[in-house]
Amino acid sequence: AQSVSQHNHHVILSEAASLELGCNYSYGGTVNLFWYVQYPGQHLQLLLKYFSGDPLVKGIKGFEAEFIKSKFSFNLRKPSVQWSDTAEYFCAPLGHQLIWGAGTKLIIKP
Amino acid sequence: DAGVTQSPTHLIKTRGQQVTLRCSPISGHKSVSWYQQVLGQGPQFIFQYYEKEERGRGNFPDRFSARQFPNYSSELNVNALLLGDSALYLCASSFLQGSEKLFFGSGTQLSVL
Repeated sequence: AQSVSQHNHHVILSEAASLELGCNYSYGGTVNLFWYVQYPGQHLQLLLKYFSGDPLVKGIKGFEAEFIKSKFSFNLRKPSVQWSDTAEYFCAPLGHQLIWGAGTKLIIKP
Repeated sequence: DAGVTQSPTHLIKTRGQQVTLRCSPISGHKSVSWYQQVLGQGPQFIFQYYEKEERGRGNFPDRFSARQFPNYSSELNVNALLLGDSALYLCASSFLQGSEKLFFGSGTQLSVL
């Protein structure tokens, strides 16, 4: 199936550590990708998106992601994480027949 | 402004029963999508409705159906429930059909016993 996949299901980091969450896609054609975040007890919300243009996109709360076509990747990064970044992160495609990533549970130790 | 609201928040049914889940989109949003999220997996697309017409359907059996009303609210119906239908059902709204940003509700947790 055409999909995106996330390889890190659980990540535990200390505050101030750098973060990189992997996301790979497996389909051709137009690639539109998102990262969504779900903080404990809250709704899914958009973190950032890539449609076209600059492959390095910046989102809310200091997050960024780089679209690398040659690697079929759209990894999420943050230089220095905070305890409040504890959440579940989903890589998602735009397109109804495309499958979301399974999510990465990120726990930041204070 | 109110966000996307879903009801009920939790539901327990037995196999073979039917269930109706409800969603009210953000005011002004004309597109509603439904997703199923099984524990440990990402959301899986079920339906999209825009301007009261079905605009997309995921890989789900015909037991799943939906509709959108003139006020843009939506219902998801599941007939002949199976144990495997136990999941969190998410509704998301957006202003346009192909909108790049979805606004999610908090979901309905369905347990089938």
